[in-house]
Amino acid sequence: GNSVTQMEGPVTLSEEAFLTINCTYTATGYPSLFWYVQYPGEGLQLLLKATKADDKGSNKGFEATYRKETTSFHLEKGSVQVSDSAVYFCALPAGGTSYGKLTFGQGTILTVHP
Amino acid sequence: EAGVTQFPSHSVIEKGQTVTLRCDPISGHDNLYWYRRVMGKEIKFLLHFVKESKQDESGMPNNRFLAERTGGTYSTLKVQPAELEDSGVYFCASSQVSGIQYFGAGTRLSVL
Repeated sequence: GNSVTQMEGPVTLSEEAFLTINCTYTATGYPSLFWYVQYPGEGLQLLLKATKADDKGSNKGFEATYRKETTSFHLEKGSVQVSDSAVYFCALPAGGTSYGKLTFGQGTILTVHP
Repeated sequence: EAGVTQFPSHSVIEKGQTVTLRCDPISGHDNLYWYRRVMGKEIKFLLHFVKESKQDESGMPNNRFLAERTGGTYSTLKVQPAELEDSGVYFCASSQVSGIQYFGAGTRLSVL
């Protein structure tokens, strides 16, 4: 089945620093790719998604590009804020479809200091 | 519109006891998923309902876990008897057909 490898953390940055969290995947076909975020005390929220190769998902200043040639979906943000402190999960459908049960990475804890 | 709701938010039980977790999906979502995150590891799929039917229960760890979805609305996940390794955060998610999954806040289960 499909799988995802995510950069492990924790990652600690100062406010306004540049963020990259690496995610690579192994998949049959070209499934949708997702980044989910879990803020302290809250549930998982969809941060962004991309449904086909070269698509760029973006939300709240975060971006990730679906790279077929490198099987990657790295999460980036140009200037992080304290409020971005959370756990970030890369995910994709476990099977060959665009949706359905998800396979997740291990999660990356991001802490942003003022 | 109400999101996915899970009860309780935290449960502390002793080994050998029974615990029942509940998930209320978003109204109108036929798909309901259960996932679990153990000891800071990756979130793992447990099972998938379509309405009241179990579509896929390949992730259920053993027969101590029983999931139900009566009437295709809310779902319960019972662990009986609980073991130490069952500790973790249990997430529920719901979606429309071929749609994005929306997650609840999770239930943190601590088995002592």
